[in-house]
Amino acid sequence: AQKITQTQPGMFVQEKEAVTLDCTYDTSDQSYGLFWYKQPSSGEMIFLIYQGSYDEQNATEGRYSLNFQKARKSANLVISASQLGDSAMYFCAMREGSANTGFQKLVFGTGTRLLVSP
Amino acid sequence: DGGITQSPKYLFRKEGQNVTLSCEQNLNHDAMYWYRQDPGQGLRLIYYSQIVNDFQKGDIAEGYSVSREKKESFPLTVTSAQKNPTAFYLCASSPLKGRAGANVLTFGAGSRLTVL
Repeated sequence: AQKITQTQPGMFVQEKEAVTLDCTYDTSDQSYGLFWYKQPSSGEMIFLIYQGSYDEQNATEGRYSLNFQKARKSANLVISASQLGDSAMYFCAMREGSANTGFQKLVFGTGTRLLVSP
Repeated sequence: DGGITQSPKYLFRKEGQNVTLSCEQNLNHDAMYWYRQDPGQGLRLIYYSQIVNDFQKGDIAEGYSVSREKKESFPLTVTSAQKNPTAFYLCASSPLKGRAGANVLTFGAGSRLTVL
């Protein structure tokens, strides 16, 4: 069975500094996808970044980058130049199987609460 | 603006009552999903649907029911058979065909159900 592990229940970072949120995964599939979502206090889940298992380059989206280490089965999220608005819960998730099926059954980790201080 | 609308945002229910949570999307997405979120836990899949009039159980479907009579709508009924229904419920949708790789789930703002 697939599993996502986020070992950091909470993280603190000062404004303008970088922070890394850890995510490890376990799967026997060769084809899979990894996602990071942000959940502010309002509750809505906001997509941040995606990494496919066959992607050779680490994904980047603005201040977000994904440090993908396939052999170690880790997909850590790096947020550069933290902002106060980055304070939220962050969830790592994995999609079972090939992206070509379209259907996205995601397995989520338990999340990391990030607090950005001035 | 396209998106997903969930209602109500907050709902209180007495034990033994069924309650229906609404989820409407105008993104023209084929697939829709219901997730449950409990404190300190990640999201768990309740039900999903890839096409109209068809849906499948997720990991925690017991005590829940859904329907998909229209592409835009995927209501979730929390029945009295659900033993611990107090939770935050999130509806999501995604295209089935799109750019290779990330057919990203778009989520609604959620509905918080409290059983009194």
